[in-house]
Formats: sequence, C-alpha cells, structure tokens
Amino acid sequence: DAGVIQSPRHEVTEMGQEVTLRCKPISGHDYLFWYRQTMMRGLELLIYFNNNVPIDDSGMPEDRFSAKMPNASFSTLKIQPSEPRDSAVYFCASSIGLGPYGYTFGSGTRLTVV
Amino acid sequence: AQSVTQLDSQVPVFEEAPVELRCNYSSSVSVYLFWYVQYPNQGLQLLLKYLSGSTLVKGINGFEAEFNKSQTSFHLRKPSVHISDTAEYFCAVSGVDRGSTLGRLYFGRGTQLTVWP
Repeated sequence: DAGVIQSPRHEVTEMGQEVTLRCKPISGHDYLFWYRQTMMRGLELLIYFNNNVPIDDSGMPEDRFSAKMPNASFSTLKIQPSEPRDSAVYFCASSIGLGPYGYTFGSGTRLTVV
Repeated sequence: AQSVTQLDSQVPVFEEAPVELRCNYSSSVSVYLFWYVQYPNQGLQLLLKYLSGSTLVKGINGFEAEFNKSQTSFHLRKPSVHISDTAEYFCAVSGVDRGSTLGRLYFGRGTQLTVWP
C-alpha cells in the first residue's frame, strides 16, 4: 500500500489567494483526519470524517477553512482567502476506526503564505 | 475529552545514554495508548501501542513503554540511544467511556529528543 498520499508537499502562495490541499487515504480506511502543526500550537485536529461524512469540525479555525470528502479515496482542505498566519504544516491521516486503531499519517503539506 | 501531558518539551541526551520521555493522561474507563515519532520533514509514524494485557510494550527501534494505570502514565524508554533517534515524540490516548463509545486520538504537545555525539 502506498500509504496516505498528500499533495502538494510544499505550497507557497500570496496572501488572499485560495489554497487547496489534497489527500488520498489508505483504501479501506473509514476515517480521515486533517491536522495542522505549528511551533506555537503543536498538532491541532481541524476536522475528521467517517465514511465521507464530517463528524467533528470544531477545530476548523474560521469560515475561511473548508474541507470536503466527495468519495472514500479523496479529500480536500481549502483556505480562502489565505493569510500569513495560516502558514503551517498540514497533515492528513486515515484509520480503520477509532479506539485501538492508530492513525497512518501522510508526509504533510508545508504551506507558506507570504 | 481526553488530555495528554508530555512533561518535557525538550530532552537532550548523549549517544548511548538511556532516555525516558514522560507522558501522563487523563483517566477514562479504559484507554488505548500510543507513541508516535516524527523525524524532520516527515509525518508521524507509529512507534508502539498499548491496547491490553502486559503493561510493558515493546516497539520499533528498541523503544519500550510501560503502562501504569494507577499513575495514569505511559512513559517511553530506551536503554541506549543513537544519534538517529533524534526526532519529536508524541504520546496519544484514545478512551472508551462508560457507554462503550470509542474515542478519537488525543495527542500531547510532543517532546523533542536530541541525541548528541
């Protein structure tokens, strides 16, 4: 299995532009998670899906952030408009289930907003 | 919601010395405990996990962790570290409440382990 695949690995954009981050979870994993990692705040859960349905989006910072999962093999995290404070590493992870099942993380997307 | 406390944000140690990274969690009816490792510019990788049974759990790269229910701790140890162990280590917990509902993972803030030659 190729693992969780994220694209792009790096993204540099100007403030005000729209940014779309992409994730392909492991086949058969029913849960998908989006995390943001910064030095100041550590690892933050933004949103997670179960069977393509958003379960908890309480970590989404504000309305500028949106996430979708149109099918079991693809998810996007969109920031519109982007701001410099959105600069971070964004991780996608997937899992067979909650509880005793660990998560498999992607390699992340490093976003820089200038 | 669960909470996880990693008591040390940074742990410097010399090569071949033993190391312990500390983790405490908020109690729950029952818990599943994990340690993840993150090497520079990479995602998190599972190091080891405790689900049930023996309280001493062995993982990859010579690491082990001990589950202590009375102290609500799950400390990570390695008897002799190598320079290649330099990374950030995250403790995570998933709880099961009285309704037998499985919970998502809650992560600690991480501990940066730096191994010096």
